[in-house]
Amino acid sequence: RKEVEQDPGPFNVPEGATVAFNCTYSNSASQSFFWYRQDCRKEPKLLMSVYSSGNEDGRFTAQLNRASQYISLLIRDSKLSDSATYLCVVRMDSSYKLIFGSGTRLLVRP
Amino acid sequence: EPEVTQTPSHQVTQMGQEVILRCVPISNHLYFYWYRQILGQKVEFLVSFYNNEISEKSEIFDDQFSVERPDGSNFTLKIRSTKLEDSAMYFCASSGISAEETQYFGPGTRLLVL
Repeated sequence: RKEVEQDPGPFNVPEGATVAFNCTYSNSASQSFFWYRQDCRKEPKLLMSVYSSGNEDGRFTAQLNRASQYISLLIRDSKLSDSATYLCVVRMDSSYKLIFGSGTRLLVRP
Repeated sequence: EPEVTQTPSHQVTQMGQEVILRCVPISNHLYFYWYRQILGQKVEFLVSFYNNEISEKSEIFDDQFSVERPDGSNFTLKIRSTKLEDSAMYFCASSGISAEETQYFGPGTRLLVL
């Protein structure tokens, strides 16, 4: 089983739409959770950390369900500039390394 | 805003040659990392470095790989004898005073081994 699993997409949505991505992780020792964004042939950039209580940053909302080992990202009012690959990332307790999912591709059309 | 820089942006080399990829982490950061991404695949951890020694490495990081912080600013990844399968984007990252802090990635070096 993959350590971090994501639907590869692509999700093709019109501007203004709300879109949600899901991610599951296999290791219950996972301690920290993140969503990174990666544009084509660019480096991953942190979008937001994910906290147990859920957190929101503008149009972006992240949720964590430790019992189900499930992380979600909700994007409201999609913009053309949101088109990218969204990477679900976990870090285990007492480890330095980030474990990346394969990413979910989002295309926002005019 | 401070950022991680990497040189070169692209490198083409022959199989069996040595390459050195260079990174300048964010200046007050203490933790340094190398990741790689083979085209079309996920980002994979290679190694982390703290206090002038390797703190963690993956099974990918075999004897052909080494890392060094030769001075106060640079962090390098050396591949001793490149293989075709080493072709990938190599990302350097750094994080602040604790390993729990956000890792910031550089723009990457695209390595092509012929």
